[in-house]
Amino acid sequence: KAGVTQTPRYLIKTRGQQVTLSCSPISGHRSVSWYQQTPGQGLQFLFEYFSETQRNKGNFPGRFSGRQFSNSRSEMNVSTLELGDSALYLCASSERGAGSNEQFFGPGTRLTVL
Amino acid sequence: ILNVEQSPQSLHVQEGDSTNFTCSFPSSNFYALHWYRWETAKSPEALFVMTLNGDEKKKGRISATLNTKEGYSYLYIKGSQPEDSATYLCASLNTGGFKTIFGAGTRLFVKA
Repeated sequence: KAGVTQTPRYLIKTRGQQVTLSCSPISGHRSVSWYQQTPGQGLQFLFEYFSETQRNKGNFPGRFSGRQFSNSRSEMNVSTLELGDSALYLCASSERGAGSNEQFFGPGTRLTVL
Repeated sequence: ILNVEQSPQSLHVQEGDSTNFTCSFPSSNFYALHWYRWETAKSPEALFVMTLNGDEKKKGRISATLNTKEGYSYLYIKGSQPEDSATYLCASLNTGGFKTIFGAGTRLFVKA
Protein backbone atom coordinates (compact mmCIF):
# COMPACT_ATOMS: atom_id res chain seq x y z
CA LYS A 1 0.00 0.00 0.00
CA ALA A 2 1.19 3.51 -0.70
CA GLY A 3 1.93 5.61 2.35
CA VAL A 4 0.49 8.93 3.39
CA THR A 5 1.34 11.67 0.92
CA GLN A 6 1.33 15.40 1.43
CA THR A 7 1.55 18.20 -1.11
CA PRO A 8 3.27 20.48 -1.52
CA ARG A 9 6.39 19.53 0.40
CA TYR A 10 7.65 23.09 0.68
CA LEU A 11 5.83 26.39 0.48
CA ILE A 12 6.80 30.02 0.89
CA LYS A 13 4.10 32.61 1.48
CA THR A 14 3.93 36.17 2.73
CA ARG A 15 1.98 37.56 5.66
CA GLY A 16 -1.70 38.01 4.97
CA GLN A 17 -1.89 35.37 2.28
CA GLN A 18 -3.78 32.15 2.63
CA VAL A 19 -2.57 28.61 1.98
CA THR A 20 -4.08 25.20 1.35
CA LEU A 21 -2.23 21.99 2.14
CA SER A 22 -3.30 18.56 0.97
CA CYS A 23 -3.05 15.12 2.52
CA SER A 24 -3.87 11.78 0.91
CA PRO A 25 -4.24 8.99 3.48
CA ILE A 26 -3.39 5.34 3.12
CA SER A 27 -6.05 3.56 1.09
CA GLY A 28 -8.86 2.40 3.36
CA HIS A 29 -8.04 4.82 6.16
CA ARG A 30 -10.97 7.04 7.07
CA SER A 31 -9.34 9.24 9.68
CA VAL A 32 -6.94 12.08 8.93
CA SER A 33 -5.37 14.20 11.64
CA TRP A 34 -3.32 17.37 11.22
CA TYR A 35 -0.45 18.54 13.40
CA GLN A 36 1.80 21.58 13.56
CA GLN A 37 5.46 21.26 14.52
CA THR A 38 7.37 24.36 15.60
CA PRO A 39 10.69 24.58 17.46
CA GLY A 40 9.10 26.50 20.33
CA GLN A 41 5.83 24.61 20.78
CA GLY A 42 6.71 21.12 19.65
CA LEU A 43 4.09 18.97 17.98
CA GLN A 44 0.55 20.25 18.41
CA PHE A 45 -2.76 18.74 17.37
CA LEU A 46 -4.83 20.82 14.96
CA PHE A 47 -7.85 18.68 14.12
CA GLU A 48 -9.06 15.25 13.11
CA TYR A 49 -11.45 14.37 10.33
CA PHE A 50 -13.31 11.11 10.04
CA SER A 51 -15.70 10.25 7.21
CA GLU A 52 -15.84 13.90 6.09
CA THR A 53 -16.69 15.22 9.58
CA GLN A 54 -14.43 17.10 11.94
CA ARG A 55 -14.33 14.93 15.00
CA ASN A 56 -11.85 16.72 17.26
CA LYS A 57 -10.19 20.11 17.28
CA GLY A 58 -7.12 21.48 19.00
CA ASN A 59 -6.62 24.95 20.40
CA PHE A 60 -5.93 26.91 17.25
CA PRO A 61 -7.62 30.08 16.00
CA GLY A 62 -10.37 29.98 13.40
CA ARG A 63 -7.85 30.93 10.71
CA PHE A 64 -6.98 27.24 10.67
CA SER A 65 -9.64 25.13 9.02
CA GLY A 66 -9.88 21.87 7.19
CA ARG A 67 -12.11 19.53 5.34
CA GLN A 68 -12.22 15.94 4.20
CA PHE A 69 -13.55 14.62 0.94
CA SER A 70 -15.49 11.44 0.24
CA ASN A 71 -12.27 9.69 -0.83
CA SER A 72 -10.81 10.55 2.61
CA ARG A 73 -8.31 13.03 1.19
CA SER A 74 -8.07 16.05 3.42
CA GLU A 75 -7.10 19.66 3.00
CA MET A 76 -6.03 22.16 5.58
CA ASN A 77 -6.40 25.88 5.02
CA VAL A 78 -4.75 28.72 6.86
CA SER A 79 -6.04 32.21 6.12
CA THR A 80 -4.39 35.55 6.83
CA LEU A 81 -0.99 34.00 7.41
CA GLU A 82 1.17 35.24 10.25
CA LEU A 83 4.92 34.85 10.72
CA GLY A 84 4.24 32.46 13.59
CA ASP A 85 2.47 30.06 11.22
CA SER A 86 5.86 29.07 9.80
CA ALA A 87 6.09 25.41 10.72
CA LEU A 88 6.15 21.83 9.55
CA TYR A 89 2.59 20.62 9.02
CA LEU A 90 2.12 16.88 9.34
CA CYS A 91 -0.89 14.82 8.60
CA ALA A 92 -1.49 11.28 9.78
CA SER A 93 -4.04 8.68 8.81
CA SER A 94 -5.53 5.76 10.67
CA GLU A 95 -8.21 3.20 9.94
CA ARG A 96 -10.80 4.17 12.51
CA GLY A 97 -9.46 7.19 14.37
CA ALA A 98 -6.44 8.66 16.07
CA GLY A 99 -7.55 7.65 19.56
CA SER A 100 -6.73 4.01 20.03
CA ASN A 101 -5.46 3.19 16.57
CA GLU A 102 -1.99 3.36 15.09
CA GLN A 103 -1.36 6.49 13.05
CA PHE A 104 0.77 6.71 9.94
CA PHE A 105 2.38 10.04 9.24
CA GLY A 106 3.09 11.73 5.95
CA PRO A 107 6.38 13.49 5.13
CA GLY A 108 5.00 16.91 6.01
CA THR A 109 4.70 20.30 4.35
CA ARG A 110 7.27 22.87 5.39
CA LEU A 111 5.57 26.30 5.34
CA THR A 112 7.61 29.47 5.55
CA VAL A 113 5.81 32.77 6.03
CA LEU A 114 7.82 35.87 5.17
CA ILE B 1 -0.49 17.14 35.58
CA LEU B 2 -2.10 19.19 32.84
CA ASN B 3 0.54 18.63 30.21
CA VAL B 4 2.45 15.65 28.92
CA GLU B 5 5.99 15.68 30.24
CA GLN B 6 8.90 13.56 29.11
CA SER B 7 12.21 12.94 30.79
CA PRO B 8 15.02 13.11 30.26
CA GLN B 9 15.15 15.75 27.54
CA SER B 10 18.14 14.04 25.96
CA LEU B 11 20.23 10.99 26.59
CA HIS B 12 23.63 9.87 25.36
CA VAL B 13 24.39 6.16 25.65
CA GLN B 14 26.92 3.71 24.30
CA GLU B 15 26.02 0.96 21.88
CA GLY B 16 24.81 -2.03 23.85
CA ASP B 17 23.51 -0.01 26.80
CA SER B 18 19.91 -0.45 27.86
CA THR B 19 17.97 2.69 28.57
CA ASN B 20 14.53 3.94 29.51
CA PHE B 21 12.51 7.14 29.31
CA THR B 22 9.50 8.41 31.18
CA CYS B 23 6.26 9.97 29.95
CA SER B 24 3.93 11.59 32.50
CA PHE B 25 0.41 12.45 31.43
CA PRO B 26 -2.92 13.56 32.91
CA SER B 27 -4.48 10.51 34.54
CA SER B 28 -8.01 11.89 34.67
CA ASN B 29 -10.30 10.83 31.82
CA PHE B 30 -7.48 8.83 30.27
CA TYR B 31 -8.19 7.28 26.89
CA ALA B 32 -4.95 6.30 25.16
CA LEU B 33 -1.18 6.79 25.18
CA HIS B 34 0.89 6.69 22.01
CA TRP B 35 4.66 6.30 21.63
CA TYR B 36 6.42 7.42 18.45
CA ARG B 37 9.97 7.35 17.15
CA TRP B 38 10.98 10.33 15.06
CA GLU B 39 14.24 10.16 13.17
CA THR B 40 15.77 13.26 11.68
CA ALA B 41 14.46 14.05 8.18
CA LYS B 42 11.79 11.34 8.45
CA SER B 43 8.18 11.18 9.61
CA PRO B 44 7.15 10.06 13.09
CA GLU B 45 6.73 6.30 13.25
CA ALA B 46 4.21 4.72 15.57
CA LEU B 47 5.72 2.37 18.15
CA PHE B 48 2.89 1.56 20.54
CA VAL B 49 -0.71 2.47 21.27
CA MET B 50 -1.61 1.68 24.86
CA THR B 51 -5.01 1.91 26.48
CA LEU B 52 -5.21 -0.44 29.48
CA ASN B 53 -3.72 0.13 32.91
CA GLY B 54 -0.86 -2.30 33.44
CA ASP B 55 -0.46 -2.84 29.72
CA GLU B 56 2.95 -3.94 28.51
CA LYS B 57 3.87 -3.94 24.84
CA LYS B 58 6.98 -5.08 23.05
CA LYS B 59 8.42 -4.66 19.57
CA GLY B 60 11.83 -6.21 19.13
CA ARG B 61 14.21 -4.60 21.61
CA ILE B 62 11.75 -1.87 22.54
CA SER B 63 9.04 -2.27 25.15
CA ALA B 64 6.66 0.00 27.03
CA THR B 65 4.56 -0.11 30.17
CA LEU B 66 1.53 1.93 31.19
CA ASN B 67 0.17 3.07 34.54
CA THR B 68 -3.03 5.02 33.98
CA LYS B 69 -3.85 5.45 37.67
CA GLU B 70 -0.71 7.45 38.38
CA GLY B 71 -0.31 8.79 34.85
CA TYR B 72 3.01 7.51 33.58
CA SER B 73 4.47 5.28 30.92
CA TYR B 74 8.00 3.94 30.54
CA LEU B 75 9.72 3.13 27.26
CA TYR B 76 12.63 0.71 27.43
CA ILE B 77 15.28 0.01 24.82
CA LYS B 78 17.40 -3.07 25.41
CA GLY B 79 20.90 -3.17 23.91
CA SER B 80 20.77 0.23 22.18
CA GLN B 81 22.07 0.41 18.63
CA PRO B 82 23.18 3.51 16.68
CA GLU B 83 20.07 3.17 14.52
CA ASP B 84 17.96 3.72 17.66
CA SER B 85 19.17 7.33 17.68
CA ALA B 86 16.01 9.40 17.33
CA THR B 87 13.53 11.50 19.26
CA TYR B 88 10.99 9.43 21.17
CA LEU B 89 7.63 11.14 21.60
CA CYS B 90 4.68 10.20 23.70
CA ALA B 91 1.18 11.57 23.18
CA SER B 92 -1.81 11.34 25.48
CA LEU B 93 -5.50 11.44 24.70
CA ASN B 94 -8.26 11.82 27.23
CA THR B 95 -12.01 11.52 26.90
CA GLY B 96 -12.51 15.25 27.43
CA GLY B 97 -12.41 16.16 23.77
CA PHE B 98 -10.04 13.50 22.51
CA LYS B 99 -7.35 16.07 21.87
CA THR B 100 -3.91 14.63 21.37
CA ILE B 101 -1.29 16.24 23.59
CA PHE B 102 2.34 15.54 22.78
CA GLY B 103 5.30 15.63 25.08
CA ALA B 104 8.43 17.48 24.02
CA GLY B 105 10.24 14.19 23.40
CA THR B 106 13.40 12.50 24.59
CA ARG B 107 16.30 12.83 22.19
CA LEU B 108 18.39 9.64 22.23
CA PHE B 109 21.94 9.53 20.90
CA VAL B 110 23.56 6.09 20.67
CA LYS B 111 27.31 6.11 20.10
CA ALA B 112 28.95 3.17 18.34
